[in-house]
Order: sequence, then structure tokens, then C-alpha cells
Amino acid sequence: AQSVTQLGSHVSVSEGALVLLRCNYSSSVPPYLFWYVQYPNQGLQLLLKYTTGATLVKGINGFEAEFKKSETSFHLTKPSAHMSDAAEYFCAVTLTGANNLFFGTGTRLTVIP
Amino acid sequence: DAGVIQSPRHEVTEMGQEVTLRCKPISGHNSLFWYRQTMMRGLELLIYFNNNVPIDDSGMPEDRFSAKMPNASFSTLKIQPSEPRDSAVYFCASRRDRGPDTQYFGPGTRLTVL
Repeated sequence: AQSVTQLGSHVSVSEGALVLLRCNYSSSVPPYLFWYVQYPNQGLQLLLKYTTGATLVKGINGFEAEFKKSETSFHLTKPSAHMSDAAEYFCAVTLTGANNLFFGTGTRLTVIP
Repeated sequence: DAGVIQSPRHEVTEMGQEVTLRCKPISGHNSLFWYRQTMMRGLELLIYFNNNVPIDDSGMPEDRFSAKMPNASFSTLKIQPSEPRDSAVYFCASRRDRGPDTQYFGPGTRLTVL
């Protein structure tokens, strides 16, 4: 069975500082991995996804994530945090031919001015 | 494209009443998902449809919950009778195809059962 674990339910960073949100997955076969962002009172929006090919994936709003098979990780990073990045971030996994996504419990990012 | 459309955006009802949530998926998408989000349990998949057919409803909490998809452009999630513990945000999402295709989420319906 596949699953994801997000380390840290809350992360605070200063404006301009590096953002690092952690996600580890569990899967017996190569997974597809996603990061979604949820702003207050809104639905989830795709930030980026890894399917195959290049392991460093770039997404919207300056975010990127690197698929590391040896570490079973897909951490989300952004070099410089902006106030508008404050939101909840969800990591998710699915498999080839699968229908549904398995979401992590989410990480709430706070950006301190 | 208008994206996934959900209605109503907010619903306040009293315990015991029937509640119907509505979803219009993105045109051309053949999979539709209903999720529930609460502080305690996070994001839970309730049910998903593929080509209007329910594929997995194992996440539906109990018989009070039912979902239908009469055609490719409309789905409902019904709770009858509603209970205070059903209070949550309910999201609908749609996807064009299986596997790595992106699920697109609607804005959600915030349900409060008094």
C-alpha cells in the first residue's frame, strides 16, 4: 500500500528565508508524487508533480521538489519565502493505473514578516 | 474553463435535516472524487466515480451518506439525516484520466450542522 508522511504539521519561516517542507512516501512500486497548496477558505491547487524523468520538478510560485528514490522523499523547497506563501501544503501519492490520491496530513506554513 | 463548480459554498442546517451538495466537474474529465476535510481527520476520500460509475465508496462513513452521478456533468453527495459530526468542508475534484493526471479541486462546501 502507498502512503505519505509529512514531517511537521506547522512550519514557520521568516520572509525571505528558505522554505523546506518534508514529505516521505511509502510505495512498493515507482510512485507519482504531488504537492498541493490550500489557501484559506479555498480548494486545493496543484503546485507540482513528479511522474517520470527529471527528478527535480519545478512548479508554480517558485516552488520546486526533488524526487529521491534512495531516501523515499519528495521535499518541497522555495529559496525565498514570501508572505503570500502562507498556506497549508499537502503531499500526495498515487500509482500507475490507480484511481485515487493518498494525501498526507498537511503542513501549515507561516511566514513571519 | 470554469473549473470544478460546487454549490452551495456554505450550508447551515439543523440536525436531522437532509443536506445535498452538488458538483459540476470540468468538461471532459471522466473521474470525479468527493473528499471531506476536518481538523481532526484531515482530508478523507469519501467516494470516487469513473465514467459516472461509483468505483470505491469505502470511505463513505455510514449509510446516511450517499452519492450519485447521473451524468458526466453532475454529481451529488447527500447526507440524510445530518448530524453535528458531519460538519466539515466537502470538496469535489475531477480528473481527466487515471494515474498521474492532476485532480482539480472545487472551492468546497462548508457544512455546519447545528
